[in-house]
Amino acid sequence: EDQVTQSPEALRLQEGESSSLNCSYTVSGLRGLFWYRQDPGKGPEFLFTLYSAGEEKEKERLKATLTKKESFLHITAPKPEDSATYLCAVNTNAGKSTFGDGTTLTVKP
Amino acid sequence: SQTIHQWPATLVQPVGSPLSLECTVEGTSNPNLYWYRQAAGRGLQLLFYSVGIGQISSEVPQNLSASRPQDRQFILSSKKLLLSDSGFYLCAWSKGGGDQPQHFGDGTRLSIL
Repeated sequence: EDQVTQSPEALRLQEGESSSLNCSYTVSGLRGLFWYRQDPGKGPEFLFTLYSAGEEKEKERLKATLTKKESFLHITAPKPEDSATYLCAVNTNAGKSTFGDGTTLTVKP
Repeated sequence: SQTIHQWPATLVQPVGSPLSLECTVEGTSNPNLYWYRQAAGRGLQLLFYSVGIGQISSEVPQNLSASRPQDRQFILSSKKLLLSDSGFYLCAWSKGGGDQPQHFGDGTRLSIL
C-alpha cells in the first residue's frame, strides 16, 4: 500500500530561522511528487513537482529536493506570510494520488 | 488560464437531507476531476475521480455519489446525509497522464446538524 508520511506535524519558527520539512514515501512506481501550500479554509495551492531523485526546484524562499525515499521542503529565512500547512503528495503508476497529513508551519515575527 | 469554481463555500444541513455540491472548470478540456474530503488537521482523502464524461471511480465506500454530466462539471451528491459526512470537501482538476499536479477549488465546509 502506498504511504506518505510528513514530519514534523507542526513547526514553529522565528522570522529568518531556516528549517526543513520532510516527506517520506513508500510507493510502487513513482510518477511524481508534489508539494502544495494550504492556507486555513482554502484549497491547496500547487507549489512544485519533482519527478526523479536528485531533482530540485526553487521558488522564492522555498526549495524542494527529492531522493528515492523522501523529499525535503527547505525554507530559507522564512517570513510570517510563509505560515501555512504544507502538503506532500505522490502519484503512482496506478494513477492514484496519495497525500500526507501535512506540516503546519507558523513563523513568528 | 484555467480556473476552478466550487460552491457553496459553506453549507449547514440537517441529518437525512440530500446534498449536491457542484464544481466547474474553465479554460481546459477533458480534465481529470477529483472530489476529496479533508478532516481537521489531516490530509486529503480521495472520494471520487473521473477521467471523462460519465466515467466515475469510487475510492471509499460511503454515503456519497458523484456524477460528471459535462466535460468540465463534477457533482457530489447524497440522498440522505449522515453526521459523519461533515467535513471540508475539495474539488480538483488535473491534466491527464498521471504525472500532473492537481489544482484545487476553495472547498465547501459542510456541517451536518
